[in-house]
Amino acid sequence: AQKVTQAQTEISVVEKEDVTLDCVYETRDTTYYLFWYKQPPSGELVFLIRRNSFDEQNEISGRYSWNFQKSTSSFNFTITASQVVDSAVYFCALIETSGSRLTFGEGTQLTVNP
Amino acid sequence: AAGVIQSPRHLIKEKRETATLKCYPIPRHDTVYWYQQGPGQDPQFLISFYEKMQSDKGSIPDRFSAQQFSDYHSELNMSSLELGDSALYFCASSAGGTSGINEQFFGPGTRLTVL
Repeated sequence: AQKVTQAQTEISVVEKEDVTLDCVYETRDTTYYLFWYKQPPSGELVFLIRRNSFDEQNEISGRYSWNFQKSTSSFNFTITASQVVDSAVYFCALIETSGSRLTFGEGTQLTVNP
Repeated sequence: AAGVIQSPRHLIKEKRETATLKCYPIPRHDTVYWYQQGPGQDPQFLISFYEKMQSDKGSIPDRFSAQQFSDYHSELNMSSLELGDSALYFCASSAGGTSGINEQFFGPGTRLTVL
């Protein structure tokens, strides 16, 4: 069965600090997709990134970057120069290509203080 | 671009009442998924439909039922509501069937409060 673990329940940083959110996953499938979502206090799920299991290239999008390491089953997310608007709950998720349901981690509450 | 529409956005019900949540997928999307997110929890998969047939079932209580209609919209019906049903209910849609290859697009959610 698939499983996603986000060991950090809460992280608090000061504005402009860099912060890394950890995500470890388990799956028996060789093909799968990994995701990160942001959930601000308003509640909607904001899609950030989708990565397939064959693409281990790291990705950078503005202040966001993602490090996918298959060898350690990890898909970590780094925010550089954090801002107050980054405060939200961040979810890592996985879907196996043989299945149809997204499995989410428990989420990490990130608070960026001014 | 059109997104997934969910209605209502907020719903308040009393215990033992019934509730119906509606989901309108992105045009030409044939698959709908329902997720439930309790307070402080991650979203949990409930059920999915492809071409009006149930395609997968998760931890959905027997008091809940759902269906997908010929226009591909879906409704989640919840009866004998309990306090523990208070949650954010997300609908997502995708095109081309239920394979994990097909990206799911989430709606804004319906916040259900049971008093």
